[in-house]
Amino acid sequence: EAQVTQNPRYLITVTGKKLTVTCSQNMNHEYMSWYRQDPGLGLRQIYYSMNVEVTDKGDVPEGYKVSRKEKRNFPLILESPSPNQTSLYFCATQPSSGSHREQYFGPGTRLTVT
Amino acid sequence: AQSVTQLDSQVPVFEEAPVELRCNYSSSVSVYLFWYVQYPNQGLQLLLKYLSGSTLVKGINGFEAEFNKSQTSFHLRKPSVHISDTAEYFCAVSAGNFNKFYFGSGTKLNVKP
Repeated sequence: EAQVTQNPRYLITVTGKKLTVTCSQNMNHEYMSWYRQDPGLGLRQIYYSMNVEVTDKGDVPEGYKVSRKEKRNFPLILESPSPNQTSLYFCATQPSSGSHREQYFGPGTRLTVT
Repeated sequence: AQSVTQLDSQVPVFEEAPVELRCNYSSSVSVYLFWYVQYPNQGLQLLLKYLSGSTLVKGINGFEAEFNKSQTSFHLRKPSVHISDTAEYFCAVSAGNFNKFYFGSGTKLNVKP
C-alpha cells in the first residue's frame, strides 16, 4: 500500500530539547516537503527537497533543519524547539518536482513545546 | 511571494443545497492551482487541480472549480452537498519555480441535515 508515514504522531517536549520528526514514503517519489498547519493560517511550507541531497527553504524555515540522505526519508529537525513551534506538522511527497501532480500527505504530527 | 486568500473561514449549508467556496490568489506569473480537503484528524487529500487547458476542472466527490485568470480566482463548487462533505477545504497555488506551494487559511464547510 502506497503511504507516507510520520513518527511520532504526537509529541510533547520542553523548550530547547532537540527533536526529530521522521517522514518516510514507499512510493519512490523524488519530491518531499514539510508543512506546518496553524489555526487561521492554513499550511505553510517549511522546507522541500527535489531529490537526494537537494533541499531548499520554503516560506517559514527559521528554527528548522532538514536532510535528505535517502530518497525515502526526509526528517525534520528542531535543534532548539521553542513554544512558537507548537503546531501540527505534515510531510508530503510528489512523484517529481516538475510534474506538478498530486501531493500525498502524511497523517500529521502534533507537536507541543512547553 | 505568492498569496492565497480564502474569503470565508466558515460556510454553513444545508444538505442537498449548492455551495461555493471562494479562493483568490495573487501572482504575476503562470500558476498551478489546487483544492485539497481535510477531514477531521486526517491529512490532506487532493480534490482537483488546474495545470493548463480547460478552465473548468472537475474533481472527486462531485466537486468542480473554475479558473478565472482575469479575476485571479479559483472558486470551488458543488451543486448538492452531503453530510459527508463536512470538512475543511484548502486552496493552494504553485508558481514561479513550481517547487513552492502556498496554501490559503482554509474554509470549514459544515453541512447540516
